[in-house]
Amino acid sequence: SQQGEEDPQALSIQEGENATMNCSYKTSINNLQWYRQNSGRGLVHLILIRSNEREKHSGRLRVTLDTSKKSSSLLITASRAADTASYFCATDVGGAQKLVFGQGTRLTINP
Amino acid sequence: DAGVTQSPTHLIKTRGQHVTLRCSPISGHKSVSWYQQVLGQGPQFIFQYYEKEERGRGNFPDRFSARQFPNYSSELNVNALLLGDSALYLCASSLEGRVNPGYTFGSGTRLTVV
Repeated sequence: SQQGEEDPQALSIQEGENATMNCSYKTSINNLQWYRQNSGRGLVHLILIRSNEREKHSGRLRVTLDTSKKSSSLLITASRAADTASYFCATDVGGAQKLVFGQGTRLTINP
Repeated sequence: DAGVTQSPTHLIKTRGQHVTLRCSPISGHKSVSWYQQVLGQGPQFIFQYYEKEERGRGNFPDRFSARQFPNYSSELNVNALLLGDSALYLCASSLEGRVNPGYTFGSGTRLTVV
């Protein structure tokens, strides 16, 4: 079963706009990671935020984590057509040596 | 440097058959994990191997098995294929047996069971 849920399931915006995706999870975590997947192929690791961190930046990506609400958000600023992909959050629940993925948000950037 | 390589890229099998999927991790990585991704869903953990030993197993039937070789490459075997086994099978490698700081995934093997 999936650990969490992502919202929205699909998002379509214009190039240059910001895209925000949300992830909720159920159990305590060591860290939360975001991955991108293009056209149903391999996943690319984007960013990791630890459970004791609240916000992290990497280029045009901003991730927040609220452990009290068991939720995270991924913000992509100044979106580009190449950002079109599915985005997944994944939680490291510790000890299990596995990631538990959400169902993903399909992001479409329109030119 | 070569990334994680998986073979074959696509595969069509008939119900009841057996399939073997292969994965070569990034050079120097000792851990390989396998995930199944059904269309429209997120990946689900199947196995993790580290230093040739199974370190984790997901909620999959015994029809699924895997092994890791001395060169750290890995095989995923699925017996008695069912239609529901149709999915993208992803291999991920990491330096050690931990998911932190994150995996490097291969491009996957798309298995279709007819």
